[in-house]
Amino acid sequence: DAGVTQSPTHLIKTRGQHVTLRCSPISGHKSVSWYQQVLGQGPQFIFQYYEKEERGRGNFPDRFSARQFPNYSSELNVNALLLGDSALYLCASSPGTVNQPQHFGDGTRLSIL
Amino acid sequence: QKEVEQDPGPLSVPEGAIVSLNCTYSNSAFQYFMWYRQYSRKGPELLMYTYSSGNKEDGRFTAQVDKSSKYISLFIRDSQPSDSATYLCAMIRGGSNYKLTFGKGTLLTVNP
Repeated sequence: DAGVTQSPTHLIKTRGQHVTLRCSPISGHKSVSWYQQVLGQGPQFIFQYYEKEERGRGNFPDRFSARQFPNYSSELNVNALLLGDSALYLCASSPGTVNQPQHFGDGTRLSIL
Repeated sequence: QKEVEQDPGPLSVPEGAIVSLNCTYSNSAFQYFMWYRQYSRKGPELLMYTYSSGNKEDGRFTAQVDKSSKYISLFIRDSQPSDSATYLCAMIRGGSNYKLTFGKGTLLTVNP
């Protein structure tokens, strides 16, 4: 069975641009979460979506937004990119929302010039 | 004080050694505990998922949780060069919470 898939794997943008990252969860998983991992740190929670609704949001500015589609795939959007947005963006899926282990994709590495 | 503290290392051991990795946490609301392994340029891979205090074993890996001391550990027996990676501890509060809170990760190198 396929794991969590993310696209693209790498992306280079300049300050002020907009980016869209995509995630397909494990088959049968209805919950998708997004995390940001900067070099040398653990992942930081951005969003969780379940059944197309936002169920949680971390401490990130409104420039970050996301959505989940009827097939449970998800997009993370970041507007007005800053140098500090350079990071590995990870998507994780789980069957539901409550106290269930999350399985991660290999992420999208975003570099801002 | 960070909610989850983890010594970033680096930790270097010879092949066959027993490795001990640790995290402490400050919030007693954390109820579920995980260990992830992350290879360079890859996403975190779930190794262990535990709830109660005590030990859980899976092959060469043992996860230990001490809720009274707010301390969790991962032991790796007979370590192999393929175990070289960053190990991340992660926690979830009980109830309907969904957010994983991670430690910084410990970089482990197992030398042949």
